[in-house]
Amino acid sequence: EVQLAESGGGLVQPGGSLRLSCVASGFAFENHGMSWVRQAPGKGLEWVATIQRDGLETNYMDSVEGRFTISRDIARDSLFLQMNSLRAEDTAVYYCGRDLFGAEDFWGQGTLVTVSS
Amino acid sequence: AIRMTQSPSSLSASTGDRVTLTCRASQYISTNLAWYQQKPGKAPVLLIYFASALQSGVPSRFSGSGSGTEFTLTISRLQSEDFATYYCQQFFSYPRTFGQGTKVEVK
Repeated sequence: EVQLAESGGGLVQPGGSLRLSCVASGFAFENHGMSWVRQAPGKGLEWVATIQRDGLETNYMDSVEGRFTISRDIARDSLFLQMNSLRAEDTAVYYCGRDLFGAEDFWGQGTLVTVSS
Repeated sequence: AIRMTQSPSSLSASTGDRVTLTCRASQYISTNLAWYQQKPGKAPVLLIYFASALQSGVPSRFSGSGSGTEFTLTISRLQSEDFATYYCQQFFSYPRTFGQGTKVEVK
């Protein structure tokens, strides 16, 4: 059974940092691209970043480029999102997703990030 | 960035109804489109990818069509478990973008 489990969310002050993790199980992690998608409270879905299966190609939404870094550790079947210089508008539930030709076919349960003083 | 526009923003329907949701892209995206269903407090669920390919395990009452810039998601006979919000997403180019969602509510 494919499972994705996010962790690392919490309350952080504006300008602070947070590192999200997503542990994968039930499939060959090294064979899939992975993404982060977020959802602000009461709002729609927003794609954040994608890393390809080789770990070399990454893409980001404009508003997080230079502040967020997506990475993966094949040995630990884990995906990460390092978030720096956090802003109030980054407040959201962050989901990790497994890529299927560009769509996300499996999602984690999400982890809430709240940026507030 | 490619803008995805869904219509309507919400609709009211009854079980057994045929429901059609529309998604328009601001530029050509071929068939690089996915549809998701999301219920409150839950993660999205992939329904359709490449505009018309039904994801494994998704009931056959869901179908997708379209190419280029115009796409539709049809639910042939609405079931109680189908009341939810539906999102389209393009993966033709980065940044990947979602529509704002269509909420399907009980009439």
